[in-house]
Amino acid sequence: SAVISQKPSRDICQRGTSLTIQCQVDSQVTMMFWYRQQPGQSLTLIATANQGSEATYESGFVIDKFPISRPNLTFSTLTVSNMSPEDSSIYLCSVGTGESQPQHFGDGTRLSIL
Amino acid sequence: GQNIDQPTEMTATEGAIVQINCTYQTSGFNGLFWYQQHAGEAPTFLSYNVLDGLEEKGRFSSFLSRSKGYSYLLLKELQMKDSASYLCASLDSNYQLIWGAGTKLIIKP
Repeated sequence: SAVISQKPSRDICQRGTSLTIQCQVDSQVTMMFWYRQQPGQSLTLIATANQGSEATYESGFVIDKFPISRPNLTFSTLTVSNMSPEDSSIYLCSVGTGESQPQHFGDGTRLSIL
Repeated sequence: GQNIDQPTEMTATEGAIVQINCTYQTSGFNGLFWYQQHAGEAPTFLSYNVLDGLEEKGRFSSFLSRSKGYSYLLLKELQMKDSASYLCASLDSNYQLIWGAGTKLIIKP
């Protein structure tokens, strides 16, 4: 399966700042997704990153708060904007090669906001 | 609404067998995935079922009954390294994954 590199692996940020998380894949993939996982909780889909167009956001997530870029088939970024302590979570990118194919995950970014 | 149910936590003994159940109600169905997630790590893919029946992969097997909206993951010859959370996810009619909350499996010596 594809090798997925996610950076940074962890960060501690100040309230009100923004952080951009990068996801790089070693091969072209059809689909890229961004998830959030609160401690002890399951995965919540933030958005589907679409190559060359605006991301598709899930209910409860908006572009102003979580802008996403996907300039090509191997790279995407998620920005967490104007952070508050409630944004402390693990953020995961995943990739898929087809609709019925399994998603594979990056190692995640552990984000803490003070 | 869409819903995935699985037990919150299970405990089993090293060397034994454990079955983790998952029931799902989703808008359409295009398959059922199981993932393993060790604490502090990302989920890793274990299995995918779209047809009824049992799929075996070494010590792990996964079963699906579409008519019952039911799946289980069977782990044999349990090892301490199998201590992890196991996530069930259903692929709905829009090919979107609907995730369960996960089952934390604790293996005791």
